[in-house]
Amino acid sequence: KAGVTQTPRYLIKTRGQQVTLSCSPISGHRSVSWYQQTPGQGLQFLFEYFSETQRNKGNFPGRFSGRQFSNSRSEMNVSTLELGDSALYLCASSLARIRTANTGELFFGEGSRLTVL
Amino acid sequence: AQTVTQSQPEMSVQEAETVTLSCTYDTSESDYYLFWYKQPPSRQMILVIRQEAYKQQNATENRFSVNFQKAAKSFSLKISDSQLGDAAMYFCALDMRFGAGTRLTVKP
Repeated sequence: KAGVTQTPRYLIKTRGQQVTLSCSPISGHRSVSWYQQTPGQGLQFLFEYFSETQRNKGNFPGRFSGRQFSNSRSEMNVSTLELGDSALYLCASSLARIRTANTGELFFGEGSRLTVL
Repeated sequence: AQTVTQSQPEMSVQEAETVTLSCTYDTSESDYYLFWYKQPPSRQMILVIRQEAYKQQNATENRFSVNFQKAAKSFSLKISDSQLGDAAMYFCALDMRFGAGTRLTVKP
């Protein structure tokens, strides 16, 4: 079956602009989580959606937001872009979840590489 | 708050040798799940191994095994008989929180 699909794969924006990234999870997966990956910081957790509800949120400013649709597809938005937002943004989907803990394997997309000039 | 710490930014191992990657974590939960993920260069992240905290037995997947010390909140990954294809970034994860990663180089 199809894997996690992220679009766009690459994009270039300028400071002050806003960007929307899309993630289509594996069919049947209801949990979608987002991460920011930079060389020095590793993977930083942004937020997680489960059945259209934000279940967990990382320590990112309010400029970073997301949502999940009824078909489990998710989008994340970054407003007022800063140079430091340049990163690889990864989306992952998961099938298994108990209360607030992810119990199963995360399946990752290839990521959206954002460059802010 | 849940935190994951990987104190080894880079590690190197000779082909066919054994290497251990370290990970410590902090959580107030009693039931949780720990993971090691591998990210090869320019390729997607994939799961290496998973450990359920309520299971005392250390997880094993072929050449990969973990040393899970719940009281010490330690979760290390041992790679036996290292192969060139093991070269990658390795991330330790607690639930959905990840460490900073360890870059593993395998020398022929």
